[in-house]
Amino acid sequence: DAMVIQNPRYQVTQFGKPVTLSCSQTLNHNVMYWYQQKSSQAPKLLFHYYDKDFNNEADTPDNFQSRRPNTSFCFLDIRSPGLGDAAMYLCATSRVTGEPNYGYTFGSGTRLTVV
Amino acid sequence: GNSVTQMEGPVTLSEEAFLTINCTYTATGYPSLFWYVQYPGEGLQLLLKATKADDKGSNKGFEATYRKETTSFHLEKGSVQVSDSAVYFCALTTGRRALTFGSGTRLQVQP
Repeated sequence: DAMVIQNPRYQVTQFGKPVTLSCSQTLNHNVMYWYQQKSSQAPKLLFHYYDKDFNNEADTPDNFQSRRPNTSFCFLDIRSPGLGDAAMYLCATSRVTGEPNYGYTFGSGTRLTVV
Repeated sequence: GNSVTQMEGPVTLSEEAFLTINCTYTATGYPSLFWYVQYPGEGLQLLLKATKADDKGSNKGFEATYRKETTSFHLEKGSVQVSDSAVYFCALTTGRRALTFGSGTRLQVQP
């Protein structure tokens, strides 16, 4: 029944070593989002895809990239993780941007640790 | 721009107590309003929503009413349980903008 699946649940990476987080969805939603959530803070939007159109938030560091090869999958690439990038990364989907009626569907998140 | 302000936590209550978590917002345009809940180690789950003024969202005993005149969407529950312990996020969206979240309020319910 899981509709938005994030793998892995926990990821440990070395300082400066590229890492990729993955997200898949079975909802056939047009929009996929990546949020970063640090401890006790609000989720912060990094970027989103509307179909193949990529939308980057102005304050998202260049260190963060994303790929969406098809409707079902979206990846978050961190090129050179720093200690400050340790966080929970949340993937979410919606039918359209700013979905007013149903909100977003979130995955369970990937907790990234940088050592 | 859009912003959401929530009361700071943690909120600590005894089981069966009444809960209120305050949420106010500023928005460009006419927002839809949401409450999300996050249990430890999990992602966010939609708890309830309201899309127009005076709408009341409700789910699992939780309620919130969209108050345009006070730009508020306070979360309430008449009798909390230990299983309600979690972090609660108020959020909004306008037009085609992505969700904007408040900073979250941690609720701890003691037996």
